Amino acid sequence: GENVEQHPSTLSVQEGDSAVIKCTYSDSASNYFPWYKQELGKGPQLIIDIRSNVGEKKDQRIAVTLNKTAKHFSLHITETQPEDSAVYFCAFKGGNTPLVFGKGTRLSVIA
Amino acid sequence: EPEVTQTPSHQVTQMGQEVILRCVPISNHLYFYWYRQILGQKVEFLVSFYNNEISEKSEIFDDQFSVERPDGSNFTLKIRSTKLEDSAMYFCASGGVSGELFFGEGSRLTVL
Repeated sequence: GENVEQHPSTLSVQEGDSAVIKCTYSDSASNYFPWYKQELGKGPQLIIDIRSNVGEKKDQRIAVTLNKTAKHFSLHITETQPEDSAVYFCAFKGGNTPLVFGKGTRLSVIA
Repeated sequence: EPEVTQTPSHQVTQMGQEVILRCVPISNHLYFYWYRQILGQKVEFLVSFYNNEISEKSEIFDDQFSVERPDGSNFTLKIRSTKLEDSAMYFCASGGVSGELFFGEGSRLTVL
C-alpha cells in the first residue's frame, strides 16, 4: 500500500537555528502534502500544506518544499523557538485515497 | 474558529465491553474520518465517511468497528467488543472539498 518515509525520527536544535524534516512518498498519484504538529496529549494540528502544482509554500517561519520528480517533500522551520517543540507528521493523499501519515519527528528546541 | 470536538476525552473499559466514541465535526464539512494512534506511534487511518456511507476503510476497521452519523451533527465510532489492543487515542477528523483535514483533540481509550 501507500507509504511515506519520514526522517529524522528525532531532532534537537538550539533556539534560533533552523530545523528540516524530510519525507519520501511512494504513490506518484499523490497530489496533496500536509504537515501536522502534535503537542503532547493533543490532536494533530494542520500547520501548512502544499499541492502538487507548486514547488514551495511559505507561511512566516514555516515553509514546505515539494520535489515531485524525486517524490519527496520537506518542512523547514526557521528561527526555532521552544514552543516549536512537538512531534511533526508529514502526510500525503492522492485521488480518493485517505491521508497517510509518516511516523513522525520529535523536535526538541533547546533554549 | 470552528473545531472538531470529541467526547469522552478518556474512557476506561473492560475487555469485551462496547464503547462508543463521539465526534462533532466542523459544521460545513462533508467528509468525516476516524484515525487512531497507539501510544508513541504514527496516526493510522481507520475509516472515511461521506454522503452517509463508508467510502473507505482500512484493515484495522474489522467487523468489531462501526460508524454512524445518527443526526446532522454527530459522528460516532462504535467498538462492539473491545480487545486489549484497541487501547489507543482515537481521533476524529473532518474536511471540506479542499482536501484539508482538521482533527479533534482525541479520545483516549484504555481497555483493561
